[in-house]
Amino acid sequence: DTGVSQDPRHKITKRGQNVTFRCDPISEHNRLYWYRQTLGQGPEFLTYFQNEAQLEKSRLLSDRFSAERPKGSFSTLEIQRTEQGDSAMYLCASSLKGYEQYFGPGTRLTVT
Amino acid sequence: QQQVKQSPQSLIVQKGGISIINCAYENTAFDYFPWYQQFPGKGPALLIAIRPDVSEKKEGRFTISFNKSAKQFSLHIMDSQPGDSATYFCAAVNAGNMLTFGGGTRLMVKP
Repeated sequence: DTGVSQDPRHKITKRGQNVTFRCDPISEHNRLYWYRQTLGQGPEFLTYFQNEAQLEKSRLLSDRFSAERPKGSFSTLEIQRTEQGDSAMYLCASSLKGYEQYFGPGTRLTVT
Repeated sequence: QQQVKQSPQSLIVQKGGISIINCAYENTAFDYFPWYQQFPGKGPALLIAIRPDVSEKKEGRFTISFNKSAKQFSLHIMDSQPGDSATYFCAAVNAGNMLTFGGGTRLMVKP
């Protein structure tokens, strides 16, 4: 399978714990995006990378959130001190030029 | 500020009918307008897309109509099938940056 992959697919954590998600983009894609989707809503942009450089961050990305893309390959999204409001589907997408963005299956986070 | 508005929120169509979903945008800097299809528990899948210099694009049963002066675009699904039942999102991109999504339309095609 040469599509975007995400791990884990599901994560249940207790409030206050830290969680980390991983995204592996389509191999030749230099742009990688993170979005968050809550039930019944469209995805909302969080941040994106061109190669290893983080080019833009949404104001939705509080100080508890951090994303990295070392060496311009896979990316990780970490949420520190999780809150119940962080419960959502976290989606990763990749693109060659930013227009045709292909999404992974998502990581569903539940904070109890 | 919601920059892409989508309607209707839900739509029920008989098998073989035409499904029509509409979107309107505000930011004239948007230069690419994709539609995504999403099934429950899955990530959005790119369905079809259009650039503002084109008024219509057709791929199989799916057609995008684009009205630049009105800042509106729509998705038409011809000969709708039960397998088309999903949530559809319109979106817009500015200069290859992030996607701005509409609120989504839940389509149900009745057999």
